[in-house]
Amino acid sequence: GAVVSQHPSWVICKSGTSVKIECRSLDFQATTMFWYRQFPKQSLMLMATSNEGSKATYEQGVEKDKFLINHASLTLSTLTVTSAHPEDSSFYICSARDYSAGHYEQYFGPGTRLTVT
Amino acid sequence: GESVGLHLPTLSVQEGDNSIINCAYSNSASDYFIWYKQESGKGPQFIIDIRSNMDKRQGQRVTVLLNKTVKHLSLQIAATQPGDSAVYFCAETPRNAGNMLTFGGGTRLMVKP
Repeated sequence: GAVVSQHPSWVICKSGTSVKIECRSLDFQATTMFWYRQFPKQSLMLMATSNEGSKATYEQGVEKDKFLINHASLTLSTLTVTSAHPEDSSFYICSARDYSAGHYEQYFGPGTRLTVT
Repeated sequence: GESVGLHLPTLSVQEGDNSIINCAYSNSASDYFIWYKQESGKGPQFIIDIRSNMDKRQGQRVTVLLNKTVKHLSLQIAATQPGDSAVYFCAETPRNAGNMLTFGGGTRLMVKP
């Protein structure tokens, strides 16, 4: 099946710094990728939809200036958490959408654990 | 719609028994449903899906049942094994939404040896 990777798998940063998380589709091209955030013992919450070559679409309540998304190629989307604060500590998961056999499939990355100290 | 819970409900079963995990969804426009398994520290893993024109679909050791009348989805795992221990999420997507998923709150399955 299709594989989606994320880098890094975990990161610790100091409050006020910025962190970039990469999401790559390894064996298919994804015009659309999704970014989710998951707090402990909670479900996945969609943050934004990333479209190759265009601006991301953010869900209500997600600050676009804080969570910068760039989808510069068909295999790479990046999420940059700017001026990170401890409340941004979470598990960030991306997924990539592949269109095959007449329908869409969504494949998830392994997640990135962000801890802001 | 989206569901966020501060505490995941837990289902504890004995190894070898069957497990049934339930999910209620709210969007009557949803026509595609997926069950995911998420192990600790990992991303969701696809288990099985079902479209709204079906009410049952079977996979290997898993069965998904869909009741559109009461907007209810269930996942049945036969002969539950320790490796099945994880958090299970249902997800729904409305027709023409481009596969945008809305996740349910999740259920933690614990398998006792």
